[in-house]
Amino acid sequence: QVQLVESGGGVVQPGGSLRLSCAASGFTFSNPAMHWVRQAPGKGLEWVAVISYDASNINYADSVKGRFTISRDNSKNTLYLQMNSLRAEDTAVYYCAKDRFQYGSGSYCEYWGQGTLVTVSS
Amino acid sequence: DIRMTQSPSSLSASVGDRVTIACRASQSISRYLNWYQQKPGKAPKLLIYAASSLQSGVPSRFSGSASGTDFTLTISSLQPEDFATYYCQQTYITPITFGQGTRLEIK
Repeated sequence: QVQLVESGGGVVQPGGSLRLSCAASGFTFSNPAMHWVRQAPGKGLEWVAVISYDASNINYADSVKGRFTISRDNSKNTLYLQMNSLRAEDTAVYYCAKDRFQYGSGSYCEYWGQGTLVTVSS
Repeated sequence: DIRMTQSPSSLSASVGDRVTIACRASQSISRYLNWYQQKPGKAPKLLIYAASSLQSGVPSRFSGSASGTDFTLTISSLQPEDFATYYCQQTYITPITFGQGTRLEIK
């Protein structure tokens, strides 16, 4: 069965960095696009970034562009999110999600991890 | 960016009720609209994709429809496990955007 397990969350000071990982199993990781989606405490879902199956296409939310970097290692079945210049408003649970397709319009997140909490505070 | 507006923001209903949640896109998104259910402390779960296709394993009391830029999620007969928050999502173009959510509560 499909499993997505996020790790790397924790408490970090404003301006600091953190790298999240998402270990995937139960499917051919090199096939689908992958997403990061976050949810601030008590708030709604916010899409963060997407990476195509072969990493040739990457897109970000405006709120993280230039600060966050999504990447994947298909040989390790792992998705990453490098987060730099963190702000208080980046505090959230971060979910990784598996797309149904390789990339493009009409995508949907058919499987989600359990999430990892990132807290940005001094 | 495409703005997704859900209504209502919250809704109280009883077991057995028929419930409808609306989602309006700020511009045309074809039928690239998905619906998710989220329960407290849990990850979102895909219910409907491409406006009206039921995800495998999701009960048939859930359905979706589309008319132009207006989309609807309908639960035909509410069950106790359906009380949750529901989100629409457009994947027509990046940045992908979600609606603000509709919280469905027990009356």
